[in-house]
Amino acid sequence: GDSVTQTEGQVALSEEDFLTIHCNYSASGYPALFWYVQYPGEGPQFLFRASRDKEKGSSRGFEATYDKGTTSFHLRKASVQESDSAVYYCALGDPGTGSNRLTFGKGTKFSLIP
Amino acid sequence: EAAVTQSPRNKVAVTGGKVTLSCNQTNNHNNMYWYRQDTGHGLRLIHYSYGAGSTEKGDIPDGYKASRPSQENFSLILELATPSQTSVYFCASGRSSYEQYFGPGTRLTVL
Repeated sequence: GDSVTQTEGQVALSEEDFLTIHCNYSASGYPALFWYVQYPGEGPQFLFRASRDKEKGSSRGFEATYDKGTTSFHLRKASVQESDSAVYYCALGDPGTGSNRLTFGKGTKFSLIP
Repeated sequence: EAAVTQSPRNKVAVTGGKVTLSCNQTNNHNNMYWYRQDTGHGLRLIHYSYGAGSTEKGDIPDGYKASRPSQENFSLILELATPSQTSVYFCASGRSSYEQYFGPGTRLTVL
């Protein structure tokens, strides 16, 4: 079945560092890819999506590019701030069933080194 | 503003008891979802619904039932709660673009 792999369980950086969170997927067909963000004590929130090869999604300074060749959708941000501390989820959309269900990765917790 | 609410926000139940988690959405979305969130597993889909009267099994449906009596409401039912069902549960609503709107979550502890 479809699956999403997020390599890092946790990432810690200093303020203004460059953030990369890796996401690889396995799916038949041509799935839509998503990033969601979850702040402490809240439910996940949609960040952005991409639907076709080489398409870039972006929001709030974060971006990711759909790469069908490497089956990846890595999240990047140039200069992290305290407010970016959260759990980030990569997800793929099942294109076959019409249910619009998502398959999520296990999440990556990002925190700032004090 | 999209709105998904869940009740209760916290629940302590006893093993073997019945638990009902409720979800209400004012987005007028056809699709609704129930997930559980556990450390090391991320978000896993339990049940989902295409609209009033429909329920479908997700990836981990065992031990759970769902009910969608109306467009706005979607319930998750644990007929015989077990300690392994201790978790944080999230409800979400969504439309055809796959973007899902999540509620604030319910923390369930089964003793």
